[in-house]
Amino acid sequence: AQSVTQLDSQVPVFEEAPVELRCNYSSSVSVYLFWYVQYPNQGLQLLLKYLSGSTLVKGINGFEAEFNKSQTSFHLRKPSVHISDTAEYFCAVSATVGYGGSQGNLIFGKGTKLSVKP
Amino acid sequence: NAGVTQTPKFRILKIGQSMTLQCTQDMNHNYMYWYRQDPGMGLKLIYYSVGAGITDKGEVPNGYNVSRSTTEDFPLRLELAAPSQTSVYFCASSYVDSTGYTFGSGTRLTVV
Repeated sequence: AQSVTQLDSQVPVFEEAPVELRCNYSSSVSVYLFWYVQYPNQGLQLLLKYLSGSTLVKGINGFEAEFNKSQTSFHLRKPSVHISDTAEYFCAVSATVGYGGSQGNLIFGKGTKLSVKP
Repeated sequence: NAGVTQTPKFRILKIGQSMTLQCTQDMNHNYMYWYRQDPGMGLKLIYYSVGAGITDKGEVPNGYNVSRSTTEDFPLRLELAAPSQTSVYFCASSYVDSTGYTFGSGTRLTVV
């Protein structure tokens, strides 16, 4: 089974400052990793995903994440945030293979609320 | 192209009532999922389906039922609503795994 820990429930930051949202995972099998964003009163939007290959993954809106297998981490970063980045961010993991279709199941972290202040 | 459509968007139920949350996708995806989202808890999988006629339990299935009679539709049934089922419910679909999810816009359910 997989699990995800998002180390910070809330991250306040000033506009144009850099930000890192931390995510650690646990799994006994190989995984896919994802970051989703949820703006207030909206659904989930995929920011980026790691499937294989380069450990540095670039996503939408200037975000990037680095897969670190030895530390079982997938931290999300942005060098300069904007007010419009205020949202809740979810890290998620799934197994690359599974039984009965379970490889499609996403395990989500509890979320990190990013608050960007002017 | 509508993607994943959920209805209704909002609903208030009284304790003990029943209802069905509808989910339809038009992308010919094989896999469909129901998640619930509670504040500070992330999303948890309720049920999933890998094709018409095949469903399986996720992490939090108690109090819910599903069916999958067609590729397009995956309704979620609450038989005896309880306050603990107050949540935001998301339906999603994908082809064969987690790499290409499409989420619906959600249903906000309140049980009073």
